[in-house]
Amino acid sequence: ELKVEQNPLFLSMQEGKNYTIYCNYSTTSDRLYWYRQDPGKSLESLFVLLSNGAVKQEGRLMASLDTKARLSTLHITAAVHDLSATYFCAVDPQETSGSRLTFGEGTQLTVNP
Amino acid sequence: DSGVTQTPKHLITATGQRVTLRCSPRSGDLSVYWYQQSLDQGLQFLIQYYNGEERAKGNILERFSAQQFPDLHSELNLSSLELGDSALYFCASSTQLGYTGELFFGEGSRLTVL
Repeated sequence: ELKVEQNPLFLSMQEGKNYTIYCNYSTTSDRLYWYRQDPGKSLESLFVLLSNGAVKQEGRLMASLDTKARLSTLHITAAVHDLSATYFCAVDPQETSGSRLTFGEGTQLTVNP
Repeated sequence: DSGVTQTPKHLITATGQRVTLRCSPRSGDLSVYWYQQSLDQGLQFLIQYYNGEERAKGNILERFSAQQFPDLHSELNLSSLELGDSALYFCASSTQLGYTGELFFGEGSRLTVL
């Protein structure tokens, strides 16, 4: 059974600081996704990483994928309050056709002024 | 706005009752997925349909069932409801053009069982 683990689960940081969220997974896969969720809202797709070494950046967020280590990171640069949300990584086990993403527990990020 | 539409947005019902949640995928998407999000279980994959046929099953209870209709909308039926079924139920769809496995989620249906 595929397991996806994120850490930390809770992150409180100050505006302007940098931090990294880690996502480890237990099976071979080269498809990893990052989503953002605001409280009570839908999941918004942030990044799609489809190969080893993939790196994508959008604003203050940068995501990378190391399929050999089965690890993805989401790096936050110079955090601002608007980034406060819960961030999920998800892995496609690729065992069957179609995408059945398995999600991590989520990292609840709070950015304080 | 992802283009995935879910109704109702909120639903309050009693134990033992039955409810139906509805989802319309993005235009052109053939695959529909249902996920359940609760505080204790996190985001759990329930079931996937592709062009009207069941493609994959996850942690879906026997009291729950789903179908996808010829117009590609999907319904998730939850019966003999229990308190523990209270959760946010998401529908998602994916594209077959330039397939990346990325899922696009609707706004969710929040079910409260009293």
